[in-house]
Amino acid sequence: SQQGEEDPQALSIQEGENATMNCSYKTSINNLQWYRQNSGRGLVHLILIRSNEREKHSGRLRVTLDTSKKSSSLLITASRAADTASYFCATPKSGGSYIPTFGRGTSLIVHP
Amino acid sequence: KAGVTQTPRYLIKTRGQQVTLSCSPISGHRSVSWYQQTPGQGLQFLFEYFSETQRNKGNFPGRFSGRQFSNSRSEMNVSTLELGDSALYLCASSGGTNSYNEQFFGPGTRLTVL
Repeated sequence: SQQGEEDPQALSIQEGENATMNCSYKTSINNLQWYRQNSGRGLVHLILIRSNEREKHSGRLRVTLDTSKKSSSLLITASRAADTASYFCATPKSGGSYIPTFGRGTSLIVHP
Repeated sequence: KAGVTQTPRYLIKTRGQQVTLSCSPISGHRSVSWYQQTPGQGLQFLFEYFSETQRNKGNFPGRFSGRQFSNSRSEMNVSTLELGDSALYLCASSGGTNSYNEQFFGPGTRLTVL
């Protein structure tokens, strides 16, 4: 079963707008990661946030983590057509394993 | 550093055949994980190898197997292929030495079973 689930499943916006994706998970975690996947290709690691962190920035990316709600969000500011991709959150498998398990992803389309 | 490489990139097989996929991790990485990605099931973890030993295993039938060599290169094998095995197979490597495992993914092998 999936540990993390992204919401929405699909998101369509115009270039320059912000895109927000959410991830909810079921069990306690020590870290959460976000990845991007361009169509039919491998995943690229974007950012890792630890359980003792509430917010983290990387360029135009902002990730928040709320462990009390078991949720995380990924914000992409000033989106570009090149941001078109699927975005996945990954959390360690339940039971203390460190193997990241992935949600089904949010498909983001940014229209030029 | 060179990234994770996977060969072949595309493969077409027929039901009942077997297939072997190869993955070369980033130099120095000792952990190699395999994932199956399909539109219906998303990204599913197959197994992870570390220093030539299978360290973690997902919920896949025994037709799916793998191994890792002393140079950390890994292969996965699928025997008696079924139509449902059509998928993008992704390999990822990591340092594997702590609990914060950033995975570095290869471009994947697209397997089509006819």
